Amino acid sequence: DAGVTQSPTHLIKTRGQQVTLRCSPKSGHDTVSWYQQALGQGPQFIFQYYEEEERQRGNFPDRFSGHQFPNYSSELNVNALLLGDSALYLCASSPGSDTQYFGPGTRLTVL
Amino acid sequence: KQEVTQIPAALSVPEGENLVLNCSFTDSAIYNLQWFRQDPGKGLTSLLLIQSSQREQTSGRLNASLDKSSGRSTLYIAASQPGDSATYLCAQTDSWGKLQFGAGTQVVVTP
Repeated sequence: DAGVTQSPTHLIKTRGQQVTLRCSPKSGHDTVSWYQQALGQGPQFIFQYYEEEERQRGNFPDRFSGHQFPNYSSELNVNALLLGDSALYLCASSPGSDTQYFGPGTRLTVL
Repeated sequence: KQEVTQIPAALSVPEGENLVLNCSFTDSAIYNLQWFRQDPGKGLTSLLLIQSSQREQTSGRLNASLDKSSGRSTLYIAASQPGDSATYLCAQTDSWGKLQFGAGTQVVVTP
């Protein structure tokens, strides 16, 4: 059983560009959450998707948007990139509110 | 504002010594508390999940306690090994699985 997978592993963009990150949850997990982790800090909650709807959202601007597909996979989109968006982006999946399983993350660098 | 605090921020111990990591949270209505391990530049690995109705959970050399009345959780790692070197994060969970993290404790176990 494959765990949570994320793509790409690394990404370099310039300010103002747009980026799409992808996540495939563990088999049977219907809830996908996205987190942003800046260097030396704990992950910060961006949003959570359940049944293709955004169920909860953290304190992030509208430049951050997402989508969940019928197979429960998910995308995170960030528009008009800023230098401060450079971080490790983590995807987590779970069968509801039970143990969260994280993917390896996508390292985004904005120049 | 709900917060999760981890003290100390960093810890260095000789191999064989027991590790004690502390986590404080302000939400008395906590749903679950989860401990994670993170290796440099990697995703998070779930170690233990304690439900709000539980007082502790154990897995091998790891034991985590939860005291809701004082807003504290402690992770004990017995007989530490160099392979235990990592950053340890605690997170409180709401009923939908949203995680709120502390900044983590960076642990170094020296041979």
